[in-house]
Amino acid sequence: LAKTTQPISMDSYEGQEVNITCSHNNIATNDYITWYQQFPSQGPRFIIQGYKTKVTNEVASLFIPADRKSSTLSLPRVSLSDTAVYYCLVVPNTGRRALTFGSGTRLQVQP
Amino acid sequence: NAGVTQTPKFRVLKTGQSMTLLCAQDMNHEYMYWYRQDPGMGLRLIHYSVGEGTTAKGEVPDGYNVSRLKKQNFLLGLESAAPSQTSVYFCASSSGGVGVNEQFFGPGTRLTVL
Repeated sequence: LAKTTQPISMDSYEGQEVNITCSHNNIATNDYITWYQQFPSQGPRFIIQGYKTKVTNEVASLFIPADRKSSTLSLPRVSLSDTAVYYCLVVPNTGRRALTFGSGTRLQVQP
Repeated sequence: NAGVTQTPKFRVLKTGQSMTLLCAQDMNHEYMYWYRQDPGMGLRLIHYSVGEGTTAKGEVPDGYNVSRLKKQNFLLGLESAAPSQTSVYFCASSSGGVGVNEQFFGPGTRLTVL
């Protein structure tokens, strides 16, 4: 399974845009890039998934360059409620589809 | 829709005791998973199932057993609990279909083994 590397922590202020970059140099052809969010004492929650270029939903955008060796999760205008741990995962589109979590990025949003 | 539910929410065991954690989903998902999360760490896969009557080992299966007799339920058993199994246990389910494969997680079970 492709290993991911992302910053351990980030700080931001309310209203700012936050970009979290993840590297996944060994990504395979049939792998998708997926991001989850986890609040304390809760299970992770799916944010967004993409294969290449750009994906946008009501919560975030995901930018994936052509070589797919990295990706960037963009959170527009964060609020205090966006304080959480964000996990970047590479998920095969076949087989068991299980998630391999790293330590994630702890985002702290200040007022 | 309740989504994914887990029973119990909290449990304290003594070393050597046994227990079963129950996971239930009402989304008709084929795939179900059990993960554990230790403090400050990401989740690690214990066992998973790709359909009713099937189970398979994940990354950290030792000391655990699972069963999936009904599509909507996935049970995780600890036959002889050890302090190293103190953790938060999360169950998840997904459709397993082609394309976006969102996993839906339960609220977790916090287990302490003394």
